[in-house]
Amino acid sequence: AQSVTQPDIHITVSEGASLELRCNYSYGATPYLFWYVQSPGQGLQLLLKYFSGDTLVQGIKGFEAEFKRSQSSFNLRKPSVHWSDAAEYFCAVGSLYSGGYQKVTFGIGTKLQVIP
Amino acid sequence: DGGITQSPKYLFRKEGQNVTLSCEQNLNHDAMYWYRQDPGQGLRLIYYSQIVNDFQKGDIAEGYSVSREKKESFPLTVTSAQKNPTAFYLCASHPGTALAKNIQYFGAGTRLSVL
Repeated sequence: AQSVTQPDIHITVSEGASLELRCNYSYGATPYLFWYVQSPGQGLQLLLKYFSGDTLVQGIKGFEAEFKRSQSSFNLRKPSVHWSDAAEYFCAVGSLYSGGYQKVTFGIGTKLQVIP
Repeated sequence: DGGITQSPKYLFRKEGQNVTLSCEQNLNHDAMYWYRQDPGQGLRLIYYSQIVNDFQKGDIAEGYSVSREKKESFPLTVTSAQKNPTAFYLCASHPGTALAKNIQYFGAGTRLSVL
């Protein structure tokens, strides 16, 4: 069974500081990995995804993530955080079944607070 | 613009009442999903549908029902059997093809509360 662990429920960083959100996954084969962001009361927006190829993935809003198979990790990074980055971030692992059903398992999320 | 529309944004349920959450997409996606979000628990899958007139239970289907009579619509009914319905409900869609390189697109959600 696939699973995702986000060990940090809450993170606080100063504006302008660097950010790293941790994500570990469990999956038998090569995983499809995602990072989504959610502002309060809103749906989820995709930040970036990894399917194959280059293990360093660039996303929107200046985010990037690195897939490390040996550590079963897919950590999200940003070199300089802006106040507008305050939100909840979800890591997810996906797999595609026959018939087109995509099973996506989400982590519990990490809430990011940005202080001036 | 293509996207997923969920309505209403806020919904209140009285004891013993069934309520229906709407989800409409104009992305021409075959697959649609309903998730429930509770604080500290991430998203949990309620139901999914790969094609019109077909749907399958997810991990927490008890107390919920769905229908898929049209490709663009996937309403979720929260029945009186769901004893703890207060949550944020998210609808998503996916092209549903055999191509693996697809992502799920999400609506803005419906917040359901019990009166």
